Amino acid sequence: ILNVEQSPQSLHVQEGDSTNFTCSFPSSNFYALHWYRWETAKSPEALFVMTLNGDEKKKGRISATLNTKEGYSYLYIKGSQPEDSATYLCAFRSHTGRRALTFGSGTRLQVQP
Amino acid sequence: GAVVSQHPSRVICKSGTSVKIECRSLDFQATTMFWYRQFPKQSLMLMATSNEGSKATYEQGVEKDKFLINHASLTLSTLTVTSAHPEDSSFYICSAASSGGQGLNTEAFFGQGTRLTVV
Repeated sequence: ILNVEQSPQSLHVQEGDSTNFTCSFPSSNFYALHWYRWETAKSPEALFVMTLNGDEKKKGRISATLNTKEGYSYLYIKGSQPEDSATYLCAFRSHTGRRALTFGSGTRLQVQP
Repeated sequence: GAVVSQHPSRVICKSGTSVKIECRSLDFQATTMFWYRQFPKQSLMLMATSNEGSKATYEQGVEKDKFLINHASLTLSTLTVTSAHPEDSSFYICSAASSGGQGLNTEAFFGQGTRLTVV
């Protein structure tokens, strides 16, 4: 059974604060690590697909890093805004040829105006 | 990004009845559909994977006769919860991926999910 863990489980920050979350995953048989942003009553929205050790990806104020050797990824949000409030999911894809993802339980972010 | 429409978003049914959930890819051909289930405060858990025109592959512990999956076309997959019981109450969400020639790192696009309550 693959174990993908995210921390913290939830986070409350003030508007303008920068924040980061952690996703840990198995370091063996790594193929890809996905980050999703999930707002209530909407579909999870893909943020990043990361494949290479040392990858750093950025989309606006959100960025992510990847360490496949030690099995973790960080998601950073710079200058949080209320519209960033959502659950952030990471998902691991192993090198078994299967396309299904193994998800963490998510980090719920609440940004207070 | 691509659009996946899942319907209904919320359903309440009586114990013993069956419920069908639809997942449609609106602007691409979904060769593979994934069905996930999420219990409160838990992760999305894969239930089954279906490829268009072939039988679904179920994860360990998921009863294939209870959760019927049909993927008869490249734009539609359905999950039918048969003889539903209160313990089947959960959040069900589909995800669709195309073959795309882009390998295994293509994004999977999600529906909005269905909240099933069995009373």
